[in-house]
Amino acid sequence: GAGVSQSPSNKVTEKGKDVELRCDPISGHTALYWYRQSLGQGLEFLIYFQGNSAPDKSGLPSDRFSAERTGGSVSTLTIQRTQQEDSAVYLCASSFASGIQETQYFGPGTRLLVL
Amino acid sequence: GDSVTQMEGPVTLSEEAFLTINCTYTATGYPSLFWYVQYPGEGLQLLLKATKADDKGSNKGFEATYRKETTSFHLEKGSVQVSDSAVYFCALSDRNFNKFYFGSGTKLNVKP
Repeated sequence: GAGVSQSPSNKVTEKGKDVELRCDPISGHTALYWYRQSLGQGLEFLIYFQGNSAPDKSGLPSDRFSAERTGGSVSTLTIQRTQQEDSAVYLCASSFASGIQETQYFGPGTRLLVL
Repeated sequence: GDSVTQMEGPVTLSEEAFLTINCTYTATGYPSLFWYVQYPGEGLQLLLKATKADDKGSNKGFEATYRKETTSFHLEKGSVQVSDSAVYFCALSDRNFNKFYFGSGTKLNVKP
């Protein structure tokens, strides 16, 4: 079946512009995660959605970052007034439910470059 | 806070060599531990996991044992293949399973 998809695959933007990154999770998966991977760094947890519950936003690095998940499916990560340090690969993952027994399936990522 | 530290790469081995990639963790409570792998051009995928002390996760010839006394989860394989060339990430999840903490990744190059 289809895996997690993300779009765009690459995004180049100018400092100060807003960007939107999209994630389509696997159908039926209720849990959705966003991560950021900066060059040479591990994955940094950003935000977590589980069903209709309020999202865990504790990993968002600043108030310029926000995310929403419409209808419990597609999610959009928005970065306002982008800065050069926002350049990274943004990864989305989904799982059937929250819990260690549930494997996270990762998308291919969106590579963001802020000039 | 919780964190994962793994050995820096790249690691270059000849085919059929023994592989060890070290991973140690810091966590409050009793986390679950994971190894993820990212093959060239592909997304991250779960390789193996262990949910409690002394558990051994295994998959595709890879093994890792959850060692609480040394707070480690080292990845091992007895005989690597060229197809094992990838980036390997060690990770842990808190007991609420809401947050995952990843290491910085170790790139493995296996030469024929």
